[in-house]
Amino acid sequence: GAVVSQHPSRVICKSGTSVKIECRSLDFQATTMFWYRQFPKQSLMLMATSNEGSKATYEQGVEKDKFLINHASLTLSTLTVTSAHPEDSSFYICSARLMDREDYEQYFGPGTRLTVT
Amino acid sequence: GQNIDQPTEMTATEGAIVQINCTYQTSGFNGLFWYQQHAGEAPTFLSYNVLDGLEEKGRFSSFLSRSKGYSYLLLKELQMKDSASYLCAPLDSNYQLIWGAGTKLIIKP
Repeated sequence: GAVVSQHPSRVICKSGTSVKIECRSLDFQATTMFWYRQFPKQSLMLMATSNEGSKATYEQGVEKDKFLINHASLTLSTLTVTSAHPEDSSFYICSARLMDREDYEQYFGPGTRLTVT
Repeated sequence: GQNIDQPTEMTATEGAIVQINCTYQTSGFNGLFWYQQHAGEAPTFLSYNVLDGLEEKGRFSSFLSRSKGYSYLLLKELQMKDSASYLCAPLDSNYQLIWGAGTKLIIKP
């Protein structure tokens, strides 16, 4: 149990276009979903935390208007990278936390590798 | 501030034992996770410690000392597939995971 999927797994887009990444909890309901970005050989960097039905909480330095997050249901969150630029190329990973889980474990999706040309 | 300190890289031999240490400083503490991350993949859960002591789970064990801000992950009977990065991630007072850069473990035959 506790499987999280992400789609697409890889995407290549042209500079200036927008890309949407979906994160789904397949067999559980997630109170909270997280979006991370990871550059090669660096640690995971939390971008934002989203709770179903409310606005996402963005970390300092992350542009809200550039990285649009929608958490429409307890099983789906989306991240849209708007007007993508080559420096946005990265590995984007989502995670989800179960409702009523005391240990606050996060279950990770397989990640999406974004390349902006 | 919040800080995680782990060795950047470690090398061990197949079949041997390796201990990966982690020291942390966080604003509040609500437990500590260890995750494994293979190159190009997302992290996968290994262990969670909230009380002091050793938690054993098969070939992997994790230890926590809250007073010392210290944890370690012990891997026994190393296999080639254990080559990966190992991430120590404490939960702070806001129940946010604090991530370090991880320890890259290289297993040699």
